[in-house]
Formats: sequence, structure tokens, C-alpha cells
Amino acid sequence: DAGVIQSPRHEVTEMGQEVTLRCKPISGHNSLFWYRQTMMRGLELLIYFNNNVPIDDSGMPEDRFSAKMPNASFSTLKIQPSEPRDSAVYFCASSPREGSINEQFFGPGTRLTVL
Amino acid sequence: GENVEQHPSTLSVQEGDSAVIKCTYSDSASNYFPWYKQELGKRPQLIIDIRSNVGEKKDQRIAVTLNKTAKHFSLHITETQPEDSAVYFCAASETGGFKTIFGAGTRLFVKA
Repeated sequence: DAGVIQSPRHEVTEMGQEVTLRCKPISGHNSLFWYRQTMMRGLELLIYFNNNVPIDDSGMPEDRFSAKMPNASFSTLKIQPSEPRDSAVYFCASSPREGSINEQFFGPGTRLTVL
Repeated sequence: GENVEQHPSTLSVQEGDSAVIKCTYSDSASNYFPWYKQELGKRPQLIIDIRSNVGEKKDQRIAVTLNKTAKHFSLHITETQPEDSAVYFCAASETGGFKTIFGAGTRLFVKA
């Protein structure tokens, strides 16, 4: 089992550019989460999906952020246009949500730097 | 919605001593309380969890306690080792629910 896969691992871009982060959840997991981690704000939940359907996007900071999950094995988080304050580590996590199992398995993260 | 508060934000202990991290939550519907450990530059990983029908759970040097009446839960690490140095997050959610709310994290330093 490869675990949750995220790409790219590092992204450096200039302000105003579009950024797309990618995530492949663990096969068979039906819930997927996007988090943002910064020193100031800690670990923030941005959005989560269940069975490819967005359930709660109240954590998405602005309209510049959007997320999609076109199928059970792929999700994207897009920032357009990017700003320096978007610099953070973005984690994707998946969960089986079978019965009472709620454990979330995190990917390695994408470190985003917006200049 | 749920709100999870975690204390202290930083904790420094001598190797071999015990470390205790405390969390409180607000939503009485929460019944699943995981703890995640994040080493520097790595991803958060589950180290132990507890459900509301249990008051205490142990796994080797790690134990968690839960007081549902007071809405607080704690992580206890005994005989700390330098490799325990990391950021620890508590969290709360409903079994079968989607949303897990994380505390702000505790940075634990274990001095050799």
C-alpha cells in the first residue's frame, strides 16, 4: 500500500499564478480531506469529500480556492490567483470511514511558497 | 460547531520524565478522540485514540484518559525519550461523522 500520494512535494510560484495541488487517496477510502498548515494557524481543515461529493467547504478561505474530486482516486486543490499569504504546507488525508473507523491517513504534504 | 482547545502549546521535559498534554472540546456529540504525532518535516500520524465508551486506554508508554462529563481528554507519555520530541495534536469527531477538529498542537521537547 503506497499510502496517500501528493504532488508536487514542493511548489514555488510567483504571486498571481495558478497553483494546482494533487492527491491520490488510499484505495478503498471513501473520505478525503484537504488541510493547510502554518505556524500561525496550525492545522486547518479546508474541505472534505465523501464518496467524491464535497460535504463541507466552509474552511476554504476565499473564492480563490477551489477543490474537485472527479473520481474516487483523484482530487485537486486549486488556488487562482495565488498570493504570498497562501504559502503553507498543504496536506491531503483519506479515511476509510468503515463503521467506527475514523482514522485519517495523511499524505506527505505539498510545501507551497508564493513569492 | 466543535471547538478543541489544547494546552500547553510548548512542553519541555527531561528524558525519563512524564509528559501530559490536555485538551477540551465543546460538542457533547463528539465521541471519538484521536491523537496525532507530527515529527519535524513529516506528516501527522495517529498514535492512539479513544472512544467515549472508554475512560482510559494504554499502549506501552502512551496512555489517554477521557472525562466525557467535563469534556476533556489527556495524553500521557511516560519515560519520555528524545525520539518523542514532536508536535502532538488532539482531535475530536463523531464516530461515523466526517469532520475531525484538531487542537492547535503541543510542541514537546525531550532533553537528553
